[in-house]
Amino acid sequence: SAVISQKPSRDICQRGTSLTIQCQVDSQVTMMFWYRQQPGQSLTLIATANQGSEATYESGFVIDKFPISRPNLTFSTLTVSNMSPEDSSIYLCSVDNTGTGTSEQYFGPGTRLTVT
Amino acid sequence: ELKVEQNPLFLSMQEGKNYTIYCNYSTTSDRLYWYRQDPGKSLESLFVLLSNGAVKQEGRLMASLDTKARLSTLHITAAVHDLSATYFCAVGYYNTDKLIFGTGTRLQVFP
Repeated sequence: SAVISQKPSRDICQRGTSLTIQCQVDSQVTMMFWYRQQPGQSLTLIATANQGSEATYESGFVIDKFPISRPNLTFSTLTVSNMSPEDSSIYLCSVDNTGTGTSEQYFGPGTRLTVT
Repeated sequence: ELKVEQNPLFLSMQEGKNYTIYCNYSTTSDRLYWYRQDPGKSLESLFVLLSNGAVKQEGRLMASLDTKARLSTLHITAAVHDLSATYFCAVGYYNTDKLIFGTGTRLQVFP
């Protein structure tokens, strides 16, 4: 199974600022995904990040607010820009192991963001 | 648009009892996942179901998939306190890598 790490694990930020979250995987993966989990809620997909191409955003999420980088097959970043208290959530990255035939999707430990 | 409904949202059950969590989805899918989430933690993969009639079991948990009914169940047998957590089903968008999550079922097992 893939081992995923995220930095930072948590942060408290002031409104109007930006935070970049890093996601590192211990093996090369084609697809990386970014999810948001608002307090007490389920997970919502923000975007899909492919190496070498623009990220694909889901309805309700835009690149200006959540720019994503995917410089190689083991790393991605998500930036939460111009933050407001409504952005307080857990942000999780996920990878797809379909290349191994298992169809597993693994999740990182998450970044707990609080915006004051 | 793929929608995923899970019920119940909250389940309080006594140790030793059995219960089932249901996951319904609205359009064709080629895979379904069950995850467990403990408070303040990330998601732990429990089961991946890939075909109609698939059944998988791990300890006191058993998951099944009926693609014709667009229904998956997670059955809990003889619940123990350690099973207390939130359980999510997630359905794969057909021919894509995207997952759509259900609302989650918060399970509380008491003595």
